[in-house]
Amino acid sequence: NAGVTQTPKFQVLKTGQSMTLQCAQDMNHEYMSWYRQDPGMGLRLIHYSVGAGITDQGEVPNGYNVSRSTTEDFPLRLLSAAPSQTSVYFCASSYSLGRGMNTEAFFGQGTRLTVV
Amino acid sequence: SQQGEEDPQALSIQEGENATMNCSYKTSINNLQWYRQNSGRGLVHLILIRSNEREKHSGRLRVTLDTSKKSSSLLITASRAADTASYFCATVLNRDDKIIFGKGTRLHILP
Repeated sequence: NAGVTQTPKFQVLKTGQSMTLQCAQDMNHEYMSWYRQDPGMGLRLIHYSVGAGITDQGEVPNGYNVSRSTTEDFPLRLLSAAPSQTSVYFCASSYSLGRGMNTEAFFGQGTRLTVV
Repeated sequence: SQQGEEDPQALSIQEGENATMNCSYKTSINNLQWYRQNSGRGLVHLILIRSNEREKHSGRLRVTLDTSKKSSSLLITASRAADTASYFCATVLNRDDKIIFGKGTRLHILP
């Protein structure tokens, strides 16, 4: 079992460029999510998904798109990168027993993104 | 705004002492979870406590939950240098799907 795999680990973008952060899990979890972590801000939820074909916005969704075509994959797209999107991004997945009954989340190792 | 708020923001204690961190939240929860993050790494789940539970133990960890005060505490007993990390609480709200994290407590164990 690989768990949650994120790629790339590091990325530098120029303002206005686009890119996709990849996330894959092999635990057959319904719930997947993306967070960004900035100094002093903890983890803030960007987008999440409760299953293939279903996505929803989190606390800070602006500037990011997601899709969930399969249970395993949940890519995060930055359409036009801005310096404010410089951050560490974490993907997580968990097993959900139903609405409001998410269990422990498993995290990837993170992607450190710098936008110049 | 973030659901959970940890207190203190930072804590330094001597090795062997106990460390206590607190988490307050705003709305009714289904469960509350604690995570550890070592510098530069992803988060690791420590313990989950449901809204109908008051206390849970796991090794040197003890978590309490007081739903009337909307607060939880994480106690690490007999601290070790390897416990140096950031600790986060996360909440799962009733009838919601999201896992929302607080800002964390930075714990430093002094030798």
